[in-house]
Amino acid sequence: DAGVTQSPTHLIKTRGQQVTLRCSPKSGHDTVSWYQQALGQGPQFIFQYYEEEERQRGNFPDRFSGHQFPNYSSELNVNALLLGDSALYLCASSLASGYETQYFGPGTRLLVL
Amino acid sequence: AQKVTQAQTEISVVEKEDVTLDCVYETRDTTYYLFWYKQPPSGELVFLIRRNSFDEQNEISGRYSWNFQKSTSSFNFTITASQVVDSAVYFCALSEARDYKLSFGAGTTVTVRA
Repeated sequence: DAGVTQSPTHLIKTRGQQVTLRCSPKSGHDTVSWYQQALGQGPQFIFQYYEEEERQRGNFPDRFSGHQFPNYSSELNVNALLLGDSALYLCASSLASGYETQYFGPGTRLLVL
Repeated sequence: AQKVTQAQTEISVVEKEDVTLDCVYETRDTTYYLFWYKQPPSGELVFLIRRNSFDEQNEISGRYSWNFQKSTSSFNFTITASQVVDSAVYFCALSEARDYKLSFGAGTTVTVRA
């Protein structure tokens, strides 16, 4: 049973650039959530996708956008990168119900120089 | 406002000692879920337990046990007879009614020394 996978594992970008991170959910899951985890902090919710729509969004600027594909995989896009965007980006998958357990992938470590 | 508070930033113990991690949460909802996750140095968050607001029964799973007390809004986690492999950051999280996100605490770093 494949778990949540994310790519790439590491990424280095410069300020102002754009980045796309990818996530494939756990088998049988249809909902994908994205979190940003800065060093030494707990994960912060960015948004959640269900049925190819953004179902809920956290307190992140419009530079953060996403997409969900018909096979339930998802992308996180960040435009106009800032130094403060350097973080571990975690993808989690779950079933549609709001109380279902979210299972996390290994994350993508983004460094913005 | 912080919904989940983990007051302990770091805990260091010697192998075989017991470790208790505190978690205090804040919510106005009567229906909610609480979670514990473990984050080893590799970075992946590993799910440990989920508890709903209507089930205050304590739970034991191997060396892990959880104490949920609604009266004090606490959901504490104990590792019995700790091992070096237990070294990680542990996060408590809350999911509220009609809210799809997890709200995490700041985490507690546990270091178990041989």
